[in-house]
Amino acid sequence: NAGVTQTPKFQVLKTGQSMTLQCAQDMNHEYMSWYRQDPGMGLRLIHYSVGAGITDQGEVPNGYNVSRSTTEDFPLRLLSAAPSQTSVYFCASRRDQGRYGYTFGSGTRLTVV
Amino acid sequence: GENVGLHLPTLSVQEGDNSIINCAYSNSASDYFIWYKQESGKGPQFIIDIRSNMDKRQGQRVTVLLNKTVKHLSLQIAATQPGDSAVYFCAEKLADNNDMRFGAGTRLTVKP
Repeated sequence: NAGVTQTPKFQVLKTGQSMTLQCAQDMNHEYMSWYRQDPGMGLRLIHYSVGAGITDQGEVPNGYNVSRSTTEDFPLRLLSAAPSQTSVYFCASRRDQGRYGYTFGSGTRLTVV
Repeated sequence: GENVGLHLPTLSVQEGDNSIINCAYSNSASDYFIWYKQESGKGPQFIIDIRSNMDKRQGQRVTVLLNKTVKHLSLQIAATQPGDSAVYFCAEKLADNNDMRFGAGTRLTVKP
């Protein structure tokens, strides 16, 4: 049981490049989210999904796309990277009912130069 | 909008002492709260949760207290150990919303 797996762990992009951050969970959780973590600002929600085929925007969605074709996978796409997207990105999952505690991945540290 | 916040950005304690980490929230519609621990280079880890119909919940060496009157949440760690050194986040969930809002975090440092 691996929990939530994120790849890559580190990435450097040039401004304007695109890339996809991968996230997979093996706990059959319905709910998945992407957060970014910046110094002094806590975790901010980018996009979330309540189940396969359903996604919605969070607090800071601009510049990011997501899709949820399966329960297990929830990739995050940066369309045209900007220095403002330099951050640590966390994927998380949880069950949709009952307790709402997330299981987080170990994060992707992204630097846009 | 209303946000989760924290009183103290840093806290330093001696090993063996008790730690208290505080969190102020302003959204009276929040019905569920969680404390997370984040060690350096890792993702946040669930510690303990509490629903708004409770005012206290205990776990192993940790206790969460909820005071809805003053919209205050605290995490108490008994007999703090060096392994407790981390950043601690509180998070709240609104009653009509599925997702969590996180505070900025408090860094706990345990001195041997």
